[in-house]
Amino acid sequence: SQKIEQNSEALNIQEGKTATLTCNYTNYSPAYLQWYRQDPGRGPVFLLLIRENEKEKRKERLKVTFDTTLKQSLFHITASQPADSATYLCALPRNNDMRFGAGTRLTVKP
Amino acid sequence: GAVVSQHPSWVICKSGTSVKIECRSLDFQATTMFWYRQFPKQSLMLMATSNEGSKATYEQGVEKDKFLINHASLTLSTLTVTSAHPEDSSFYICSASSFVGLGNQPQHFGDGTRLSIL
Repeated sequence: SQKIEQNSEALNIQEGKTATLTCNYTNYSPAYLQWYRQDPGRGPVFLLLIRENEKEKRKERLKVTFDTTLKQSLFHITASQPADSATYLCALPRNNDMRFGAGTRLTVKP
Repeated sequence: GAVVSQHPSWVICKSGTSVKIECRSLDFQATTMFWYRQFPKQSLMLMATSNEGSKATYEQGVEKDKFLINHASLTLSTLTVTSAHPEDSSFYICSASSFVGLGNQPQHFGDGTRLSIL
């Protein structure tokens, strides 16, 4: 069966450090992968999309990598800030919809 | 751009009540809308996909007579939880796309509805 696993339920880091979140998948051959941010009590907000032929994508302090051989995507936040504290979800396409991982709750401490 | 409004944001009601949740795309035409359910610390679980003017496609295990979905216009979809019971208490989130299905486009989510059934 298809699975999407995000490395840990929670990640705590110090302000200014780089946060690295992992998304692993099995039994998928996605043409692309997306990352979303979700704050408590809110809907997810789209952050980045990376295609299978792209190794890396950047947007401001965010960087995403996509390794189709390892079936893994890494999501990095550099120079992290307390405002980056949220749950981050990876999502893969399935037919005409997206499937989401359970998310990693990131806490950036001042 | 691409704003999705969901209403109400929070509702508490007695067991046996039917509850309607609205999802509106404010600045684009939503050909496809998705309804999700999310339990605490869990992922979004897709309940159904609706395309404007046609019947919704429900995921396995989701009762279509329990969760009625109407997508009568390109800017509005509604989810009605009929005869709600405490086990239906959850966070319901809609998302919208201007494409049939998704292509490789991001989904635009509403802010969710917290439903609590007493």
